[in-house]
Amino acid sequence: GESVGLHLPTLSVQEGDNSIINCAYSNSASDYFIWYKQESGKGPQFIIDIRSNMDKRQGQRVTVLLNKTVKHLSLQIAATQPGDSAVYFCAETAGGSYIPTFGRGTSLIVHP
Amino acid sequence: EAGVTQFPSHSVIEKGQTVTLRCDPISGHDNLYWYRRVMGKEIKFLLHFVKESKQDESGMPNNRFLAERTGGTYSTLKVQPAELEDSGVYFCASSPLGPSGGNTIYFGEGSWLTVV
Repeated sequence: GESVGLHLPTLSVQEGDNSIINCAYSNSASDYFIWYKQESGKGPQFIIDIRSNMDKRQGQRVTVLLNKTVKHLSLQIAATQPGDSAVYFCAETAGGSYIPTFGRGTSLIVHP
Repeated sequence: EAGVTQFPSHSVIEKGQTVTLRCDPISGHDNLYWYRRVMGKEIKFLLHFVKESKQDESGMPNNRFLAERTGGTYSTLKVQPAELEDSGVYFCASSPLGPSGGNTIYFGEGSWLTVV
């Protein structure tokens, strides 16, 4: 069936480095994508989103890139900080659905 | 403004017992969702309410799970009888009723259920 998945379950980086978290999706009808951050003991928090008519969107220290040709989404975090340590989930909706479909998540570990 | 609130935050019950989880969405949000995350796996959709109506319950695992949203306000998710595989964290989320697709949904902190 259609699915959203992640290439790497765990990513370890040094404080100050840039982080890139990748996500592949298989539903060609997906038209809205969201990145969520889940800190230990908390619920997922919205980070940034992008619609399918865009290929790049920037926020504060974060950038999301969308490549519809290969159905790939990435989250770039600049100057990664220990507070960025969390599990990051990509999610997508298709066809006007209200309901995001989530991938398995990538655990980002930032070493001071 | 209060966010999505869930309780209990943690619950440990024995196999065969009943547990009821409660979610209070953000005030004014007509969309309410239940998701579940089993350890190390993806966050899986359970069901979606629009006001008091179940819009989509395709993710409910089986008939041991019952969700309600009386009056279109808070929602409850009851597991009866609980099994070991029901352990995980149950997230509630809400969003306003507006143009479909592309609405940010806001999550609560989850109810962490352990069945022993």
